[in-house]
Amino acid sequence: GNSVTQMEGPVTLSEEAFLTINCTYTATGYPSLFWYVQYPGEGLQLLLKATKADDKGSNKGFEATYRKETTSFHLEKGSVQVSDSAVYFCALSSAGNKLTFGGGTRVLVKP
Amino acid sequence: DGGITQSPKYLFRKEGQNVTLSCEQNLNHDAMYWYRQDPGQGLRLIYYSQIVNDFQKGDIAEGYSVSREKKESFPLTVTSAQKNPTAFYLCASSIAPRDSGSLVDTQYFGPGTRLTVL
Repeated sequence: GNSVTQMEGPVTLSEEAFLTINCTYTATGYPSLFWYVQYPGEGLQLLLKATKADDKGSNKGFEATYRKETTSFHLEKGSVQVSDSAVYFCALSSAGNKLTFGGGTRVLVKP
Repeated sequence: DGGITQSPKYLFRKEGQNVTLSCEQNLNHDAMYWYRQDPGQGLRLIYYSQIVNDFQKGDIAEGYSVSREKKESFPLTVTSAQKNPTAFYLCASSIAPRDSGSLVDTQYFGPGTRLTVL
């Protein structure tokens, strides 16, 4: 079956540091890939997505590239802010509109 | 404003009682979903519905029930058969797949309901 593995947190950074969160997946076919962000006490918000190999999703300074050869979709941001502190979820789609989520990575950015 | 609402934000119930969580959307989406999130874990799919009057079990449907009588509404009932119901419950909606084999469209999430069973 489908599965998503992402690095365990928490990841603690200083403001303006570079952030990378690794995500790898196992899936049949050609899934779409997503990054969602969850702020404390809230639901999930879509951060970015990519629907085919070599696509790059980007939003709010975050980027992730769909790498089919390495089955990865790593999230990166060049300069984080305190407001980026949240839990980040990698997810993939499957037929029938079902999402499979990774376990989430908590990011804490300190001033 | 279009969006998904879940109510209440916090819910407390005694063990053995059934409880129903509300989810409403005005995005004109055909598909709706219920997920469960436990502390420090990802989301797991409970039930989903791609069209009115139809729904399917997800990965952890035991102890839960749903209905989809209206396009806008997809209530979830946590029954007394659910062994460990305390969790954060998230509802989502999306445009339905154009056909059974197509890839997913983006799911949009509500703010969640935190259920605590005492």
